[in-house]
Amino acid sequence: DVQLVESGGGLVQPGGSLRLTCVASGFTFSGDWVDWVRQAPGKGLEWVAHINGDGSQKYYGDSVKGRFTISRDNARNSLYLQMDSLRAEDTAVYYCARNRGYFALDIWGQGTMVTISS
Amino acid sequence: HSALTQPPSASGSPGQSVTISCTGTSSDVGAYNYVSWYQQHPGRAPKLMIYEVSKRPSGVPDRFSGSKSGNTASLTVSGLQAEDEADYYCTSFGYNRVFGGGTKLTVL
Repeated sequence: DVQLVESGGGLVQPGGSLRLTCVASGFTFSGDWVDWVRQAPGKGLEWVAHINGDGSQKYYGDSVKGRFTISRDNARNSLYLQMDSLRAEDTAVYYCARNRGYFALDIWGQGTMVTISS
Repeated sequence: HSALTQPPSASGSPGQSVTISCTGTSSDVGAYNYVSWYQQHPGRAPKLMIYEVSKRPSGVPDRFSGSKSGNTASLTVSGLQAEDEADYYCTSFGYNRVFGGGTKLTVL
């Protein structure tokens, strides 16, 4: 089956750090752009970041630029999101998704919840 | 950066058709034929329903169709069914990577 599985979410204090992981299976992961998208409780979708197939191109949303880092390990079919200097407004379900091109996200993980609270 | 503009809600009776709009600018929706639409049921991950304005991924019923005119894209759901009740989001390739604010579709 083609799938993405996220992990690493949890409860963190403001100012803390967290690393999310997304493991891909069933498709050629190394050839694809992959995105992180988040959704705060009761809110809409917000694009976070994306990375190209070989990891040489990375782009970030304004709200996370300078605090979050996207990376990947194609040998492990894995995508990562290192989140530093976390704020309460980063509380959300974080999804990874394959970008089939031109921001069409055709495979999504089930999401992992990140809660920032003291 | 501004999100794409969608109506907060839409509704229709079973069997009817409903259209959801997504208004952007000449830098995104108006500039490219790369509008996508996503369906999200409560507690579930989004699902790609339409890409490149009007193309359907394998497995998406042909009751779902997309179109675009100028800076506004539209998703039409024909022959409404109870399972179509969900939130719908649009996106567009462009300068900014943004989603629409979402539209809650209610099947009456």
